[in-house]
Amino acid sequence: AQSVTQPDIHITVSEGASLELRCNYSYGATPYLFWYVQSPGQGLQLLLKYFSGDTLVQGIKGFEAEFKRSQSSFNLRKPSVHWSDAAEYFCAVGQYSGAGSYQLTFGKGTKLSVIP
Amino acid sequence: DAGITQSPRHKVTETGTPVTLRCHQTENHRYMYWYRQDPGHGLRLIHYSYGVKDTDKGEVSDGYSVSRSKTEDFLLTLESATSSQTSVYFCACHRGQGTEAFFGQGTRLTVV
Repeated sequence: AQSVTQPDIHITVSEGASLELRCNYSYGATPYLFWYVQSPGQGLQLLLKYFSGDTLVQGIKGFEAEFKRSQSSFNLRKPSVHWSDAAEYFCAVGQYSGAGSYQLTFGKGTKLSVIP
Repeated sequence: DAGITQSPRHKVTETGTPVTLRCHQTENHRYMYWYRQDPGHGLRLIHYSYGVKDTDKGEVSDGYSVSRSKTEDFLLTLESATSSQTSVYFCACHRGQGTEAFFGQGTRLTVV
């Protein structure tokens, strides 16, 4: 079964500092990879996704992520964090399991706090 | 947002009673999911559907059942609610493999 690990439960950064959120996955083939963001009391919003091709993908709000097959990682980065980026971030893996069945599995999330 | 509506948005129920949560989508998406979100656990998959009447279990399916009799509706039933099922429940849907999943606003369920 696929799994997703986000090693950092909570990260605090200063506004303007760079950010990297880690994500590791366990899956035999090249997976579909996603990063979502959740603001308090809200549903999840897609930041970016990776299926194939260029391993560096750009998303909304200035975020990017890099797929590294050798490390089974899909880390999220942002060069300069804004106070409005404070939220919870979820990495997700999509797996096609045959017979039309497709499953989306999420990590436990990383809560980002931003110091003004 | 794929026109996803969850109902009710908030519910308080008593232990042992059955509860049904509804997810309705207007975009004709094939795949639909029910997750529960709890502090420290992230989003855990309860059940999912890959077509009308095609459903399968997720990692935390015990005590839950689902039905999908038409494309737009995916119902989650707690057969006999327990306090451990107090949680926020999210519905999600998407068109096909690898496509963006859209989420509802969540249902906050409290079992007393």
